[in-house]
Amino acid sequence: DGGITQSPKYLFRKEGQNVTLSCEQNLNHDAMYWYRQDPGQGLRLIYYSQIVNDFQKGDIAEGYSVSREKKESFPLTVTSAQKNPTAFYLCASSIPRQGALYSNQPQHFGDGTRLSIL
Amino acid sequence: RKEVEQDPGPFNVPEGATVAFNCTYSNSASQSFFWYRQDCRKEPKLLMSVYSSGNEDGRFTAQLNRASQYISLLIRDSKLSDSATYLCVVNPISGTGNQFYFGTGTSLTVIP
Repeated sequence: DGGITQSPKYLFRKEGQNVTLSCEQNLNHDAMYWYRQDPGQGLRLIYYSQIVNDFQKGDIAEGYSVSREKKESFPLTVTSAQKNPTAFYLCASSIPRQGALYSNQPQHFGDGTRLSIL
Repeated sequence: RKEVEQDPGPFNVPEGATVAFNCTYSNSASQSFFWYRQDCRKEPKLLMSVYSSGNEDGRFTAQLNRASQYISLLIRDSKLSDSATYLCVVNPISGTGNQFYFGTGTSLTVIP
């Protein structure tokens, strides 16, 4: 079955530690995204990538880093510089718009990773 | 000004009721619109896309009003299982790559 797989489901970070969240998709989507959701809040964009080897900062990129070496994979590293990392992290993918082509293509989400501080 | 704004609710309605949510967007050039459903502590799931002519899927109807820059979701004959947060999502056509803009969500509780 095609889909997006995030791992781990739960992650605990010690102070000063970097941790990496995995996101893999087999939907053959070019675009991938990372969001953060705090309790009772909406989704905030951390980073997104429209194509392999390219990515852009979202609204809250500070303290995070990403890579996009393969189409299927878009890992997110939460660095020690992110002082308040406790949140629900969601990875998504989509077919990117190309002018009038592929309009109305939605995002598909993984089932998320919950990150907490030890 | 936020790209997408929703009334956060909460909406508490009895079973069988009809409930409607609205969502406004700021970019008049936006082309793609969606409603997602998010259950507590779960990922958002696509409920339906919103087409210019409006569209219906069972008890759910979505409409787009370009002149006033809002989209709506109507749920008829509410079920207990409809209790969730409903997210409005907009994908502008230009200037933002392929970013999707999310509303903060409207909370619905259907009461027996």
